[in-house]
Amino acid sequence: QSALTQPASVSGSPGQSITISCTGTSSDVGNYNLVSWYQQHPGKAPKLMIYEVSKRPSGVSNRFSGSKSGNTASLTISGLQAEDEADYYCCSYAGSSTVVVFGGGTKLTVL
Amino acid sequence: QVQLQESGPGLVKPSETLSLTCTVSGGSVSSGSYYWSWIRQPPGKGLEWIGYIYYSGSTNYNPSLKSRVTISVDTSKNQFSLKLSSVTAADTAVYYCARDPLEDQPAFDYWGQGTLVTVSS
Repeated sequence: QSALTQPASVSGSPGQSITISCTGTSSDVGNYNLVSWYQQHPGKAPKLMIYEVSKRPSGVSNRFSGSKSGNTASLTISGLQAEDEADYYCCSYAGSSTVVVFGGGTKLTVL
Repeated sequence: QVQLQESGPGLVKPSETLSLTCTVSGGSVSSGSYYWSWIRQPPGKGLEWIGYIYYSGSTNYNPSLKSRVTISVDTSKNQFSLKLSSVTAADTAVYYCARDPLEDQPAFDYWGQGTLVTVSS
């Protein structure tokens, strides 16, 4: 069982927007603005898409955005494209003892 | 461009020690700006953080693996390494090394390609 809870799957049609949630606790997501999101295509290493809740690394499309409310972080992808079909993982800082926790991952299907 | 590359045996026997090395190019493990981490992914499953090392040698490990994990750094070779002892089939996974900026942790911005380690007799 993962420390952070994500829906197993989400889907959307090209051009639509989707949101993936990531629910933690007051010990991780709720206590730090240190949530990151990763995109992983089959057989590939994960790619950083969002860090510090809502910051985008250089080169990541502005169709990807992040937010947080309480113990739940969210990743929104607007203008869905076929190449967005992948697994997405959230990740949070969880204090000096546990340090880093991941969500169980969400499979995004572009219909 | 920073690149990370994992290396090590792809097959380890149960109860033995898994050993992997991550070689960094285009950057330095001696940089005080980053943690150097190991992350694993069992086949068909999600990501699990194993632990990190700082250039000074200070470490932090996932509490669930702490008793079996050792991460070390060799600044002369620009490498860091993972040892996981007393392995079982549950340790079968793709193992990734990754860079994590100190100030943004966790924000793994560069990853190795991953290496599959199978635990089997």
